[in-house]
Amino acid sequence: NAGVTQTPKFQVLKTGQSMTLQCAQDMNHNSMYWYRQDPGMGLRLIYYSASEGTTDKGEVPNGYNVSRLNKREFSLRLESAAPSQTSVYFCASRGDRGGWKPQHFGDGTRLSIL
Amino acid sequence: AQSVSQHNHHVILSEAASLELGCNYSYGGTVNLFWYVQYPGQHLQLLLKYFSGDPLVKGIKGFEAEFIKSKFSFNLRKPSVQWSDTAEYFCAVVGSQGNLIFGKGTKLSVKP
Repeated sequence: NAGVTQTPKFQVLKTGQSMTLQCAQDMNHNSMYWYRQDPGMGLRLIYYSASEGTTDKGEVPNGYNVSRLNKREFSLRLESAAPSQTSVYFCASRGDRGGWKPQHFGDGTRLSIL
Repeated sequence: AQSVSQHNHHVILSEAASLELGCNYSYGGTVNLFWYVQYPGQHLQLLLKYFSGDPLVKGIKGFEAEFIKSKFSFNLRKPSVQWSDTAEYFCAVVGSQGNLIFGKGTKLSVKP
C-alpha cells in the first residue's frame, strides 16, 4: 500500500542541467499536484492535473513542465535548472468521487542546484 | 484569490503547556479547511479537517480546531503539548482547482 511514491528522494544538480522528478500513485486518483516547499513560504502549487491528459499551471509554474503520462504518473521536469529552484518538491494526489477528499502527499524530493 | 495567514512563525513551548496556533483565511464563501503537520524530514500528514457541521473539530494526537466563520479563523489547539509535537504546522484551504492553498507554516518547538 504505497500511496504516493516520489523518486528520487535527493538530487544535486548543476545550474543548466535538466532533471525529471517522478511521481506515481496507486490509489486510482484522478487529480495530481506538484508543490514546492521553501522556508517561510509554505507549499506553493507549481502545476496540477485534474485528469489523465490534462495539466494546468498553478501559482509558480515558470521554469517547469509537467507530463501526465497516464492516470498513475505525473512527472515534473526542469529543463534548465537554476539555483532558485533549490527546494523540496512534493507530489500529491486526490480522489474526487463521493465528495471532496483530502490530498495524499509523497515523501518529497530534496533538490539542490549549485 | 483565496489566501491563508498564519501569524506565528515560530512558537516555543515547554512540555505540558497549552498550544494555540492562529490561522485566518480570506474567502467568505463555503470553505474546506485543514491543518497538516510535518515532522522533521517527513512529508505532510493530515491532522484534521473541517467541511461543515460542528465547528469544533477533533483530530489525531489530541489536536482540535475551531472554525469561527465571523472571524474567518480556524485556530489549532492542544491542551498539553509533548516534546514529540515538535514539528511545522500548516493551515490550508481548498482552492478553486481542488488544490490546497497553504499558509506559510508555524514551527513549533517543545522543550522537554
